[in-house]
Amino acid sequence: AQSVTQPDIHITVSEGASLELRCNYSYGATPYLFWYVQSPGQGLQLLLKYFSGDTLVQGIKGFEAEFKRSQSSFNLRKPSVHWSDAAEYFCAVLEYGNKLVFGAGTILRVKS
Amino acid sequence: DGGITQSPKYLFRKEGQNVTLSCEQNLNHDAMYWYRQDPGQGLRLIYYSQIVNDFQKGDIAEGYSVSREKKESFPLTVTSAQKNPTAFYLCASSEGQGGSPLHFGNGTRLTVT
Repeated sequence: AQSVTQPDIHITVSEGASLELRCNYSYGATPYLFWYVQSPGQGLQLLLKYFSGDTLVQGIKGFEAEFKRSQSSFNLRKPSVHWSDAAEYFCAVLEYGNKLVFGAGTILRVKS
Repeated sequence: DGGITQSPKYLFRKEGQNVTLSCEQNLNHDAMYWYRQDPGQGLRLIYYSQIVNDFQKGDIAEGYSVSREKKESFPLTVTSAQKNPTAFYLCASSEGQGGSPLHFGNGTRLTVT
């Protein structure tokens, strides 16, 4: 079965600093990968997705992610973090049957 | 605006009672999903349905039941057999094919005491 690992449970960055959230997946074929963001008590919002082609994908809110097959990774990045980016971030891989398998999530705290 | 509506946002029940969580979508999506979220565990799939009148168990289906009588609706019943029902429940929908992303509702927080 597919799995997703997000090694960092919590990350704290200063406002204006750069951000990288790590995600590793296990999947035999070329994966369909996603990053979602969740504000407290809310549903999940899609930030970006990777299916094929360019390994660097752009998403909403200034986020980008890079697919590295050799490292089985799909890390999320943002050059300059804003206080409103504080939330929980989930990496996910698509399974057969169009089902998503999620990582455990990374909680981002932004200090001013 | 198209979207997914989950109601109610907060739900309280006594142990031993069944409870049904509502999920309605007006996105004309074929597939619908129920996930359970617990702190530090991400989201785990309970049930999913790719077409009306058909549904499949996910990873943690025990103690739950669903129905899919209409394309727009996918209610989830948490039965008294579910050992740890207190959680945040998220409903989602997708076009169901070709890697289409899931769209999520705002969730229902269920507390059972």
